[in-house]
Amino acid sequence: DIQLTQSPSFLSASVGDRVTITCRASQGISSYLAWYQQKPGKAPKLLIYAASTLQSGVPSRFSGSGSGTEFTLTISSLQPEDFATYYCQQLNSYPLFTFGPGTKVDIK
Amino acid sequence: QVQLVQSGAEVKKPGSSVKVSCKASGGTFSSYTISWVRQAPGQGLEWMGRIIPILGIANYAQKFQGRVTITADKSTSTAYMELSSLRSEDTAVYYCAREVDSSGYYSLDYWGQGTLVTVSS
Repeated sequence: DIQLTQSPSFLSASVGDRVTITCRASQGISSYLAWYQQKPGKAPKLLIYAASTLQSGVPSRFSGSGSGTEFTLTISSLQPEDFATYYCQQLNSYPLFTFGPGTKVDIK
Repeated sequence: QVQLVQSGAEVKKPGSSVKVSCKASGGTFSSYTISWVRQAPGQGLEWMGRIIPILGIANYAQKFQGRVTITADKSTSTAYMELSSLRSEDTAVYYCAREVDSSGYYSLDYWGQGTLVTVSS
């Protein structure tokens, strides 16, 4: 089974900060990775798929990069509405998928 | 615009079963794949399995094999997730989500609102 780890688990940041979250896979997954944002009490929202393709309607301050085993989600200038938990998901082992453990982004 | 509307909250006894529905509107249901994802209180997301309605084929995460059954009714554009032998650790919000294939790259682009299942004696 492919395992995903995320770092950090928690980060505290200020509005306007550049934020980077890392997702690592236990084995190579090419670019079969997606990123989601989840706010408390809400369903997750797709941000990025294919490691770096921005989902329609998602602000351009979000970007994704990486391939193989290491991936990053970057928020170029953190906005108040970006405080949330972020999850990566590997889709390489189709038809079986797994999520990373999540990274909570909180207000400093 | 795709919408996924799930059934309401459930309270179940340990050892019983629960069946959650997910009704789709917008798009063509038979061309969808629907995944089910759960989230225990204060925990992360856990992928459970999927159904391809047009084929009637379901795949399950190993953790849930033998305990979960995912089905779909094309006539009503509704997917179902049934979990049996419930235990307290199954208390969670259960989500359905549409799986989209973008040139071989999959993702979950539309989600239901979630259904809280509470397992308690």
